[in-house]
Amino acid sequence: GAVVSQHPSWVICKSGTSVKIECRSLDFQATTMFWYRQFPKQSLMLMATSNEGSKATYEQGVEKDKFLINHASLTLSTLTVTSAHPEDSSFYICSAADRGEFSGANVLTFGAGSRLTVL
Amino acid sequence: SQQGEEDPQALSIQEGENATMNCSYKTSINNLQWYRQNSGRGLVHLILIRSNEREKHSGRLRVTLDTSKKSSSLLITASRAADTASYFCATVRGRGGSNYKLTFGKGTLLTVNP
Repeated sequence: GAVVSQHPSWVICKSGTSVKIECRSLDFQATTMFWYRQFPKQSLMLMATSNEGSKATYEQGVEKDKFLINHASLTLSTLTVTSAHPEDSSFYICSAADRGEFSGANVLTFGAGSRLTVL
Repeated sequence: SQQGEEDPQALSIQEGENATMNCSYKTSINNLQWYRQNSGRGLVHLILIRSNEREKHSGRLRVTLDTSKKSSSLLITASRAADTASYFCATVRGRGGSNYKLTFGKGTLLTVNP
């Protein structure tokens, strides 16, 4: 089945540094990928929709300059948390839709998530 | 915005019992999905039910959808300790492309005691 790989699975960084998280579709091409953020014991909040070859679409309240998204190929999207602060500590999860089967009733495949801790 | 609301927030049962979780939403939908998340891990898709469907089964899972009440339920029968996880409903409003966005509920934490 479809597999989405996220890397790193966890990362600790110092405040003020930038961190890049990768989301790869391993056995399918993904025109569209989605980035979510999840706080402990809470639900997933959609941050942005990543479109291959074009700019990402950010949800209301999400700072595009803070969370840089690049979807340079059909199998890779990256999320860069710039100038990270402790409040950016969270669980970030990506999901991807198979380009060949993407329609209104198909299922997204989720990565295993990346836990970011900013000291 | 989060439109799915699950209840209960937490549910603790014994192995072998059935577990029922409910989800309510506010707007019209294309489909509704249920996902499972083990602690600190990604999400696993369980089942999808379209807006024109009323009930769907998959193994020990049974999902119902009532669009008039904007609600859905997930029933897990003959629960096992391995079913312990958080369960989320997610609604989809659009079709295809970037309109295919999942809006997640707050989730139900299910604990199945051996």
